[in-house]
Amino acid sequence: DGGITQSPKYLFRKEGQNVTLSCEQNLNHDAMYWYRQDPGQGLRLIYYSQIVNDFQKGDIAEGYSVSREKKESFPLTVTSAQKNPTAFYLCASSSSGSKSYEQYFGPGTRLTVT
Amino acid sequence: AQSVTQPDIHITVSEGASLELRCNYSYGATPYLFWYVQSPGQGLQLLLKYFSGDTLVQGIKGFEAEFKRSQSSFNLRKPSVHWSDAAEYFCAATRLTGGGNKLTFGTGTQLKVEL
Repeated sequence: DGGITQSPKYLFRKEGQNVTLSCEQNLNHDAMYWYRQDPGQGLRLIYYSQIVNDFQKGDIAEGYSVSREKKESFPLTVTSAQKNPTAFYLCASSSSGSKSYEQYFGPGTRLTVT
Repeated sequence: AQSVTQPDIHITVSEGASLELRCNYSYGATPYLFWYVQSPGQGLQLLLKYFSGDTLVQGIKGFEAEFKRSQSSFNLRKPSVHWSDAAEYFCAATRLTGGGNKLTFGTGTQLKVEL
């Protein structure tokens, strides 16, 4: 079945440590996205990538980094510079062409930093 | 600035009752509009979308939404709610630009269904 996988589902880290969240898709989509979700704030865009080896900052990129070395993969690193990293992180992807506006979401990773 | 507003943070309905969730958008031109649903601890599932044409769109799980340009609204409706519809609902909008497809989300409406 085609879809988006995120691992792990739950992640715990100590303050000051970097942590990388995985996102893989087998939908053959060109574009991938990372969102952060906090209670009462909806989803906010962290980074997005329209094509391999290229990515752009979203609305809240500070303290995060990404890479896009393969079409299928778009890992997100939460660095120690992110002041409030505890959140639910969602990865999404979309195709190019006439349906590029329809985004499909993974199941999410809940990160807790103490 | 582009924005999507969901005025209702929480809504409670009885099972079998009708449902309407409100969504208003503020964009320079009519955006593409979406409704997503999220169960606790899960990702988002697309319920329906509006791009152009017929202003009443049908989605999955018996949901529909009506686009009203004059009111900048895209409200989600269901004639008879089931207990399994309890979830959080997000309205979202986008305008494809040279910078790609960036969705703007509302803050969500939490739906509780009373049995």
